[in-house]
Amino acid sequence: SQTIHQWPATLVQPVGSPLSLECTVEGTSNPNLYWYRQAAGRGLQLLFYSVGIGQISSEVPQNLSASRPQDRQFILSSKKLLLSDSGFYLCAWSVPRLANYGYTFGSGTRLTVV
Amino acid sequence: AQSVTQLGSHVSVSEGALVLLRCNYSSSVPPYLFWYVQYPNQGLQLLLKYTTGATLVKGINGFEAEFKKSETSFHLTKPSAHMSDAAEYFCAVSENTGGFKTIFGAGTRLFVKA
Repeated sequence: SQTIHQWPATLVQPVGSPLSLECTVEGTSNPNLYWYRQAAGRGLQLLFYSVGIGQISSEVPQNLSASRPQDRQFILSSKKLLLSDSGFYLCAWSVPRLANYGYTFGSGTRLTVV
Repeated sequence: AQSVTQLGSHVSVSEGALVLLRCNYSSSVPPYLFWYVQYPNQGLQLLLKYTTGATLVKGINGFEAEFKKSETSFHLTKPSAHMSDAAEYFCAVSENTGGFKTIFGAGTRLFVKA
């Protein structure tokens, strides 16, 4: 069966420090991968999506970047965190070209920038 | 372009009462529709989905939703609320065009009173 792992679960980082969040998927090949952010009391904001290794699309200009170095690995990064980067970050995967499949989400990372 | 509107950012019901969470969508082609549930500090979990066929779909935890094309709605219901249903619920739509993005609503937080 397919599983998605996301870590760390919580993270407290000072302003100006770097960030690296990792997400890996098991049990499937060539998944579509997504990074979302939830700010407090707000909905889901799509940050990045990827349909293959090295293929990254950015939805919102921001202080973050994403990379997909391997088929089932998706990394969210920042060189210098801002206070506004605080939030709950979710990774998700879906089956390519199957819009009816739905998304499977990881358990999320709570990032607090202080 | 797709869009999703969830009516009511907060809904409060008494334990044992009917749960009704409203969702309206906009889509230029026949949509796929989803409801997800998110418990505190967790990722989203798929509750149910409509793809084709029967317009009344049943999901986990006793929830169901009915696709009404004429009303462009996909409301989520449960006959009798339980305390464990307290969570945030997201409606989502994707289009049957081979696209790889799903649009999420802003979410509705359900409170269940004893």
